Amino acid sequence: DTEVTQTPKHLVMGMTNKKSLKCEQHMGHRAMYWYKQKAKKPPELMFVYSYEKLSINESVPSRFSPECPNSSLLNLHLHALQPEDSALYLCASSHRQGALGEQYFGPGTRLTVT
Amino acid sequence: AQSVTQLDSQVPVFEEAPVELRCNYSSSVSVYLFWYVQYPNQGLQLLLKYLSGSTLVKGINGFEAEFNKSQTSFHLRKPSVHISDTAEYFCAVREYGNKLVFGAGTILRVKS
Repeated sequence: DTEVTQTPKHLVMGMTNKKSLKCEQHMGHRAMYWYKQKAKKPPELMFVYSYEKLSINESVPSRFSPECPNSSLLNLHLHALQPEDSALYLCASSHRQGALGEQYFGPGTRLTVT
Repeated sequence: AQSVTQLDSQVPVFEEAPVELRCNYSSSVSVYLFWYVQYPNQGLQLLLKYLSGSTLVKGINGFEAEFNKSQTSFHLRKPSVHISDTAEYFCAVREYGNKLVFGAGTILRVKS
């Protein structure tokens, strides 16, 4: 199984809502990533978790709060977002953060903030 | 910090014609390079990667790329494209901590 799953596929939320994005992988990978992709732009790294610990935070605003409850699951909690946060949010995983090799991407959650 | 430049934002090509998508990277001691494809409304799928060894790398769907250290390039090629290859292609370089830095992307449009 080389699949990374993400739920929901689409999400519309108001600026006062609290919502969460979920990502799951069962490949035994110990590094997991959140990327943000605006329309017609490349993905930009937001967070990296290594062995369930936050390893990299690319100066992301605190209205985005990541969580890694176990080695298979990665969440992104959203609160008080702005319309400019509307984007495709991609999750990825890899064997280990320091290991060579590719990252496996999920299909993404398309978020619209109204 | 490393960077990647994809020289063409869009490449139109007729079906069954050859195609080359260009990618240049900033120089570094060790370079690990990737090409990903993104079909509309989907995530990214790895086409191929260069970690070490042979400079000609073969990937999925008939794509290949050549790592050229002297020209700091990693161009993607396919000898004969299909309509189904229409997608956006991203070149990426691995930075510290397995961080991927992506180029701006090249949209490949295959016309019949």
